[in-house]
Amino acid sequence: QLVLTQSPSASASLGASVKLTCTLSSGHSSHAIAWHQQQPEKGPRYLMNVNSDGSHRKGDGIPDRFSGSSSGAERYLTISSLQSEDEADYYCQTWGTGINWVFGGGTKLTVL
Amino acid sequence: EVHLVESGGGLVQPGGSLRLSCAASGFTFSSYWMSWVRQAPGKGLEWVANIKQDGSEKYYVDSVKGRFTISRDNAKSSLYLKMDSLRAEDTAMYYCARLYNKQVFDYWGQGTLVTVSS
Repeated sequence: QLVLTQSPSASASLGASVKLTCTLSSGHSSHAIAWHQQQPEKGPRYLMNVNSDGSHRKGDGIPDRFSGSSSGAERYLTISSLQSEDEADYYCQTWGTGINWVFGGGTKLTVL
Repeated sequence: EVHLVESGGGLVQPGGSLRLSCAASGFTFSSYWMSWVRQAPGKGLEWVANIKQDGSEKYYVDSVKGRFTISRDNAKSSLYLKMDSLRAEDTAMYYCARLYNKQVFDYWGQGTLVTVSS
């Protein structure tokens, strides 16, 4: 079964960097994923795709401070030079064979 | 610039019906799969339904099969979700999203809130 696992929360200081993790379930380590950001009281916003080789493709207007990478079954979202507006929920998302579009449980990022 | 604007949400009693709409602009609507994704209060995102460019393929999460119907009108660049036999657990913000390459939700609306309660 295709499942994405995320830590419920993360925190980092203003101006610092943070690396969020999304883990693919066993047998699905080659899947690409997407990252989405949801600021408080707003709709989600697509950030980027991250492939199993670590390559990534960003959405329109996404700053260079956001980058993606991979290692095994883990997919990462790194945000550098953290700003207050980066405080948000971050969701990973993938797609399986057949009828299967899956989200992780989300990580709530607090900027200290 | 891509815009997706949902409407039609509201308060409805259990067992009732509601029809959501999504007005799309800024891209060639007829060239993309489209989707509905929902988010229960304080919870994460859940995919609900997808529809192919010409409406010939439709997919639903198991929990809404037989109750919800996704449709589209390419001439009006609009997406719809007809929701019947609504349950309390359908209470959520419903988002319209563009589905790129049948894989990634690459544009989202701001959502419309559906509350199922007596």
